[in-house]
Amino acid sequence: DARVTQTPRHKVTEMGQEVTMRCQPILGHNTVFWYRQTMMQGLELLAYFRNRAPLDDSGMPKDRFSAEMPDATLATLKIQPSEPRDSAVYFCASADRTSGRFDEQFFGPGTRLTVL
Amino acid sequence: AQTVTQSQPEMSVQEAETVTLSCTYDTSESNYYLFWYKQPPSRQMILVIRQEAYKQQNATENRFSVNFQKAAKSFSLKISDSQLGDTAMYFCAFMITTSGTYKYIFGTGTRLKVLA
Repeated sequence: DARVTQTPRHKVTEMGQEVTMRCQPILGHNTVFWYRQTMMQGLELLAYFRNRAPLDDSGMPKDRFSAEMPDATLATLKIQPSEPRDSAVYFCASADRTSGRFDEQFFGPGTRLTVL
Repeated sequence: AQTVTQSQPEMSVQEAETVTLSCTYDTSESNYYLFWYKQPPSRQMILVIRQEAYKQQNATENRFSVNFQKAAKSFSLKISDSQLGDTAMYFCAFMITTSGTYKYIFGTGTRLKVLA
């Protein structure tokens, strides 16, 4: 069945390194979200795209985070340089804004990032 | 400010019993969508139930139902005949549209444990 996929599932890296997380939305979905989940802040929306164009990235620290959609089947979230406070689970979700249930998001399994 | 409050950090229920999780929210919008998501230990966020705010009838999905009180801005989740597999974090959320963009607000979650 159709689902959102994310790679890698786990990532451990050292402070200062570049981290790239990838997401493949459900085929045909035209909206992609990136969330970060931590114990302290809960689930926070970092950015989202519609038809590959960024619509809102106000939740994302601009100095080190960047999000792109090189094509309709791939979304990336990059952190450069990474810091220990970036340790969290990063979720991607997709939605089909053209459907009758346009409000419904489908989440990927998440990438657990640990920055040492 | 748009907020979601889940006042019960943790709850437990005996298998086969009924439990109700509370959620209140605050928004000045008149049209919005409400959700309950389940996050089991696997971390996967799973949509449990959704409610369109313009509909007065409470949504129901098998053993899951909501009590939507729009005037009180309350959206509680009732789980009937609780099963061990219902053990998870439950997040209440709502979505509003603003100037063509979509904004999702999540609560901090309620950890539910179903006891054998």
